Amino acid sequence: AQTVTQSQPEMSVQEAETVTLSCTYDTSENNYYLFWYKQPPSRQMILVIRQEAYKQQNATENRFSVNFQKAAKSFSLKISDSQLGDTAMYFCAFRHGGSQGNLIFGKGTKLSVKP
Amino acid sequence: EAGVAQSPRYKIIEKRQSVAFWCNPISGHATLYWYQQILGQGPKLLIQFQNNGVVDDSQLPKDRFSAERLKGVDSTLKIQPAKLEDSAVYLCASSLATGVLWYGYTFGSGTRLTVV
Repeated sequence: AQTVTQSQPEMSVQEAETVTLSCTYDTSENNYYLFWYKQPPSRQMILVIRQEAYKQQNATENRFSVNFQKAAKSFSLKISDSQLGDTAMYFCAFRHGGSQGNLIFGKGTKLSVKP
Repeated sequence: EAGVAQSPRYKIIEKRQSVAFWCNPISGHATLYWYQQILGQGPKLLIQFQNNGVVDDSQLPKDRFSAERLKGVDSTLKIQPAKLEDSAVYLCASSLATGVLWYGYTFGSGTRLTVV
């Protein structure tokens, strides 16, 4: 069974600085997707970034980028120029490939951006 | 496009009572998911529907939880009778898939259930 591990329960960063959130996963599959979701107090899960396992290039979305190390089964999220609005829970998630499948989440990292 | 709608937003009940949650997915999304998120944890899948059929309900506590998706659109999740450990946020999500292609999830804002 697939598992997702986030080893940092809480992190903090000063506004405008850079922070990296860690995630490791375990799977025997070769075709899968990895995600980072943001969950603010409103509770809605917001997609931050998505990576297809077959793509060697790391995904980037504005200030958010990932370091995807397939062999090491590592998928870290880097947030550059942190903003107060980035304060939230961040969840790493795994989905196997194909048209059917559900998300398997880690336990989350609570990120606080300090002014 | 309209998002995934869920209601109610909050619910407080006493243990052993029953409760129902409602979800309206994005129009055209064939797949619907119910997740349970206990405080301090990541969401865990309870049940997955494809149209009005169940794809995966292996983690649904079937002695007390039930879910249906009539006509392959709206869905309801019911708990009867509720236990203290059912206190959690219940998230609904939907996704679009055609053939082997899959286009991502959209989540609702969830229902926060407190059992006292």
